[in-house]
Amino acid sequence: AQKVTQAQTEISVVEKEDVTLDCVYETRDTTYYLFWYKQPPSGELVFLIRRNSFDEQNEISGRYSWNFQKSTSSFNFTITASQVVDSAVYFCALSGLPNDYKLSFGAGTTVTVRA
Amino acid sequence: KAGVTQTPRYLIKTRGQQVTLSCSPISGHRSVSWYQQTPGQGLQFLFEYFSETQRNKGNFPGRFSGRQFSNSRSEMNVSTLELGDSALYLCASSSQILTSGAYNEQFFGPGTRLTVL
Repeated sequence: AQKVTQAQTEISVVEKEDVTLDCVYETRDTTYYLFWYKQPPSGELVFLIRRNSFDEQNEISGRYSWNFQKSTSSFNFTITASQVVDSAVYFCALSGLPNDYKLSFGAGTTVTVRA
Repeated sequence: KAGVTQTPRYLIKTRGQQVTLSCSPISGHRSVSWYQQTPGQGLQFLFEYFSETQRNKGNFPGRFSGRQFSNSRSEMNVSTLELGDSALYLCASSSQILTSGAYNEQFFGPGTRLTVL
């Protein structure tokens, strides 16, 4: 069984502060994929980043960066220099084999960025 | 390219009724997945269709069913509605599987918000 845990329920920051979202996962698959999605108030889930289990290289994409540590089963996500438009619910998700399109989501973390 | 579209966007039904939700994937995408989102249970996978075949199914009762047409459009049906079926139903589409082991992102639609009274 796959499980994703986002321990942070809500985070509130002032604009330009960095925000780090925690994600811990459980899976028996040897190959798996990890994702971060953003859900603004409009409701549509927006894909942000994807990482596969055999590539632990951490990257930066614009204001987004992520830290994937297989040893601790964590996949944390950071927004640098937050903006009001970053206010949304952020979901960490896990999927198994390449042809398994079933995403297991965490409970989500609500991020509020105040001007 | 147009995104994933879902109709209707909002729906109000009463207990015992049935409902059909529709999802049109991004052009060229053959995989369609459905998710239910509720405040209590969060986002839960319902089922996934590829080339008109259900490939994967979540842990939902038989009242929840779906199908996919030859043009990849998908519908999901909920029969004998219960109050607990009130939720945002999200549809996601993805392109054909790659053979290299890579993964194709799922693109989500805006959802259909179902309210059961």
